[in-house]
Amino acid sequence: GAVVSQHPSWVICKSGTSVKIECRSLDFQATTMFWYRQFPKQSLMLMATSNEGSKATYEQGVEKDKFLINHASLTLSTLTVTSAHPEDSSFYICSARKILSGTSFQETQYFGPGTRLLVL
Amino acid sequence: QKEVEQNSGPLSVPEGAIASLNCTYSDRGSQSFFWYRQYSGKSPELIMSIYSNGDKEDGRFTAQLNKASQYVSLLIRDSQPSDSATYLCAPQGSWGKFQFGAGTQVVVTP
Repeated sequence: GAVVSQHPSWVICKSGTSVKIECRSLDFQATTMFWYRQFPKQSLMLMATSNEGSKATYEQGVEKDKFLINHASLTLSTLTVTSAHPEDSSFYICSARKILSGTSFQETQYFGPGTRLLVL
Repeated sequence: QKEVEQNSGPLSVPEGAIASLNCTYSDRGSQSFFWYRQYSGKSPELIMSIYSNGDKEDGRFTAQLNKASQYVSLLIRDSQPSDSATYLCAPQGSWGKFQFGAGTQVVVTP
């Protein structure tokens, strides 16, 4: 397997503040990481794809100026929710892409434990 | 039509029985397929991957893939209460992204 960490695991903030979430691949290098959001009783929704050293690719409907993504190293991607509002309260989960050894195309995604954001 | 279809459940399974989960997908270019387990309030955990047609067994789990039918399934043998969770089917689309189904909730009853 592989280990992906996220920090913080939960955060409560006031409306209008910014929140930064870190995602780290602990035992492998991840050129690509993904950020998802999940509301209660709903499926995972991909927000953006984070590529090391380049700009993130955002899914349709996701505001790139509100959800800032930085992937400065092969083991760290950050998501900053700027000017958070109560409707941004959700479960944010990152995943890291790992290429399977011995193959050139087989890969999988390992998820971090997630960050619960509550905006008051 | 959704890109990935799963029965939402809940699928109620007696302890010790076999749980059978189904998934169909629309992207014919998908080559890699994954099953994730998600406990309530937790993030998804990878339990199986399958890349070729046929069966792949790993412990009590068996994944089955039929690319011609665009169908992938997961069998859980000797179901335990700890298997109670939501199971997510995730084909990797032809453009590389994972497409997650809404998940099937499994409830194993003692």
